Amino acid sequence: DTAVSQTPKYLVTQMGNDKSIKCEQNLGHDTMYWYKQDSKKFLKIMFSYNNKELIINETVPNRFSPKSPDKAHLNLHINSLELGDSAVYFCASRGRGEAFFGQGTRLTVV
Amino acid sequence: QQQVKQSPQSLIVQKGGISIINCAYENTAFDYFPWYQQFPGKGPALLIAIRPDVSEKKEGRFTISFNKSAKQFSLHIMDSQPGDSATYFCAASRGRDDKIIFGKGTRLHILP
Repeated sequence: DTAVSQTPKYLVTQMGNDKSIKCEQNLGHDTMYWYKQDSKKFLKIMFSYNNKELIINETVPNRFSPKSPDKAHLNLHINSLELGDSAVYFCASRGRGEAFFGQGTRLTVV
Repeated sequence: QQQVKQSPQSLIVQKGGISIINCAYENTAFDYFPWYQQFPGKGPALLIAIRPDVSEKKEGRFTISFNKSAKQFSLHIMDSQPGDSATYFCAASRGRDDKIIFGKGTRLHILP
């Protein structure tokens, strides 16, 4: 009964490929996020959704496209992957002020 | 522009000692200040959080001290244990649903 679950946990792919990461939360929260954690552990907000609507897009390249089919799911699709996209991507959901993170997806682009 | 500045980058403390991590923020509109703990291979986990209407919050061995006028807040871990070894992030947010902005993290190592 994991609160925020992401799949897959690991993703290794070649440059130029397209890949997706899925996220689901069972907390009933209205707000969900995608964060990117780089090799120096810095956590940077990418997108914020509230009730399936995009609220924040933090100057992320348009190769990244989030999609929220319903308020419990927020998926991230990445086109034309580049070496610099290698990082750990975290999904999070937020309710009553508190935010909870998934276990992360380690994306390696080779 | 870094909105939440965290120090030190790394910290080594003897078992039983007090670990102290400091953060400073710039935006006075922030009204929620959480601390997260992250173990290798795991996502950040909410440890403790404070709102600016109080100056201190304690939960077990973890205490947040908050200084609104100085725009600073800190995490104190009393009786530090080897199991506390992790990366700690301070963060700030405006409103209940706004993005959470993180500091750059402190890698804490507790010597057994």
